[in-house]
Amino acid sequence: NAGVMQNPRHLVRRRGQEARLRCSPMKGHSHVYWYRQLPEEGLKFMVYLQKENIIDESGMPKERFSAEFPKEGPSILRIQQVVRGDSAAYFCASSPGTGVNQPQHFGDGTRLSIL
Amino acid sequence: DQQVKQNSPSLSVQEGRISILNCDYTNSMFDYFLWYKKYPAEGPTFLISISSIKDKNEDGRFTVFLNKSAKHLSLHIVPSQPGDSAVYFCAATLTSNNDMRFGAGTRLTVKP
Repeated sequence: NAGVMQNPRHLVRRRGQEARLRCSPMKGHSHVYWYRQLPEEGLKFMVYLQKENIIDESGMPKERFSAEFPKEGPSILRIQQVVRGDSAAYFCASSPGTGVNQPQHFGDGTRLSIL
Repeated sequence: DQQVKQNSPSLSVQEGRISILNCDYTNSMFDYFLWYKKYPAEGPTFLISISSIKDKNEDGRFTVFLNKSAKHLSLHIVPSQPGDSAVYFCAATLTSNNDMRFGAGTRLTVKP
């Protein structure tokens, strides 16, 4: 399967713990995007990264959330000291570049549940 | 701020009829628009797109119409099939940064 791979598919954490969500983009894609979908809502943009660089993090909460896309390995979305409100589906998308005719391809998401 | 709005949370149509899903946006700088389809427990999949220099784009049973003056776009599916039942998300972006803003989605149910 050459699609965007996210793991784990489901993640359960207790309040105060850390959550790490991984995303491997499609082969040849160097642009990664993270989105969050709260129940009964649409996808909300969080952050856009290229290899080793954060391009736009205007949708990221100011505290507890961070993202990286290292030179080697998957992109990681990290949530520290999770709270109940962090429960959501987190989707990663990738594209080969920017501009028209390069739509983002999505993974199947990680469903994060906070107990 | 909700820059992209889908005001109908759900839509039900009969198989064989036309489905029309609507989307409005507020940012006149958006110059590229996309529709994604999403099944439960899966990620969104790209369906069709349109550039702001066009007012219509067609791909098989799917047609997207763009009215820039009204900041409105719509997705037409004809004829609708039961397999089209899914949540449809409208998205808008600036081609300079590919940073998409999504609507809240419309759940389409096509009844046999």
